[in-house]
Amino acid sequence: DSGVTQTPKHLITATGQRVTLRCSPRSGDLSVYWYQQSLDQGLQFLIQYYNGEERAKGNILERFSAQQFPDLHSELNLSSLELGDSALYFCASSEGGGPRGELFFGEGSRLTVL
Amino acid sequence: DAKTTQPNSMESNEEEPVHLPCNHSTISGTDYIHWYRQLPSQGPEYVIHGLTSNVNNRMASLAIAEDRKSSTLILHRATLRDAAVYYCILEAGAGSYQLTFGKGTKLSVIP
Repeated sequence: DSGVTQTPKHLITATGQRVTLRCSPRSGDLSVYWYQQSLDQGLQFLIQYYNGEERAKGNILERFSAQQFPDLHSELNLSSLELGDSALYFCASSEGGGPRGELFFGEGSRLTVL
Repeated sequence: DAKTTQPNSMESNEEEPVHLPCNHSTISGTDYIHWYRQLPSQGPEYVIHGLTSNVNNRMASLAIAEDRKSSTLILHRATLRDAAVYYCILEAGAGSYQLTFGKGTKLSVIP
């Protein structure tokens, strides 16, 4: 158990819909990272927040957005969903502002878009 | 971003040492080398990281070539639980906060 909690574990929805994925980092960790894993693209970094502020942005689509709340949990919002958005979405956390050290990953949220 | 090259797959017998290679010929002086692994149906798990010197922890050892153009992750005694995809990742220097995962090496452990 990494200490990172992601909900929901599984989600099935239709194209055009909007979903929200939630992540609670390990106690004391200030950074939250979102990754997308699909069969053809592997693990892709989406975005990082550190203590409520956006720190780094990767291959995140404009239809996707994220935020980190004062209690440090984070949400990833995916809108206007397409079939290609079907993937595993992982959240990770770290104590500091960068991954120079250990990232702790959650078990992921599996999104299926029909 | 500096890239890494790993074999697609490797096999090992249980209870034998495993050496997982990684080439990173374009590494820069400030790039850290990270290793993560992903067991089936789980999120990635940190294994080890280093900059220049060899590193040891309870899970593995990391041997870094003197010119830093390659590194090797060493599992001292493979167990069935070590069957996973192993990712060698370069963390770009100061100012970069993301880890870019490649395809990794799928390690199979034979009982």
